[in-house]
Amino acid sequence: AQTVTQSQPEMSVQEAETVTLSCTYDTSESDYYLFWYKQPPSRQMILVIRQEAYKQQNATENRFSVNFQKAAKSFSLKISDSQLGDAAMYFCAYRSPNFGNEKLTFGTGTRLTIIP
Amino acid sequence: GAGVSQSPSNKVTEKGKDVELRCDPISGHTALYWYRQSLGQGLEFLIYFQGNSAPDKSGLPSDRFSAERTGGSVSTLTIQRTQQEDSAVYLCASSLDFGNTIYFGEGSWLTVV
Repeated sequence: AQTVTQSQPEMSVQEAETVTLSCTYDTSESDYYLFWYKQPPSRQMILVIRQEAYKQQNATENRFSVNFQKAAKSFSLKISDSQLGDAAMYFCAYRSPNFGNEKLTFGTGTRLTIIP
Repeated sequence: GAGVSQSPSNKVTEKGKDVELRCDPISGHTALYWYRQSLGQGLEFLIYFQGNSAPDKSGLPSDRFSAERTGGSVSTLTIQRTQQEDSAVYLCASSLDFGNTIYFGEGSWLTVV
């Protein structure tokens, strides 16, 4: 079974600065999908960024980018120019490519606080 | 619809009562998931439906929990004889097909008193 570990329960960053959230995972599969989701106080899980393991290029979405290290099984999220609206819980998630095993496995989350 | 819709948004029930939580996935999405999130915790997988295949029920915590999906669209999660430890946010999600991004609803917050 796959596991996802987020070792930082809480992080804080000054507004406009850059912060990196860590995520590691364990799997025996060679191909898979990785995600970062954001959960603000409204509770809705919002997709931030997605990475396919077969792609060597790191995914980017505006101020959000990942550092995907397949050999190290590491998938960190970098948020540049942090904004107050970035404050939320951030969850790293793994999804198998195998039919019948498509559920997301989540880490325990990192609570990000933005300091004005 | 535009997004995954869940109802009720909030539910307070007495211990021992049955509750039903409803999920209406994004139109055309074949895969539907239920997750549970206890206070301050991560997301726990409960059950997964994909098209006409038999659902993956491996995450259901006890036989008091069941779910069905009618007509390949709307799903209902039923919790019988609720216990206080069932208090949590129940999140529903859907995806277009195998391998696609999973989109979440806003959840149903269940409190058992």
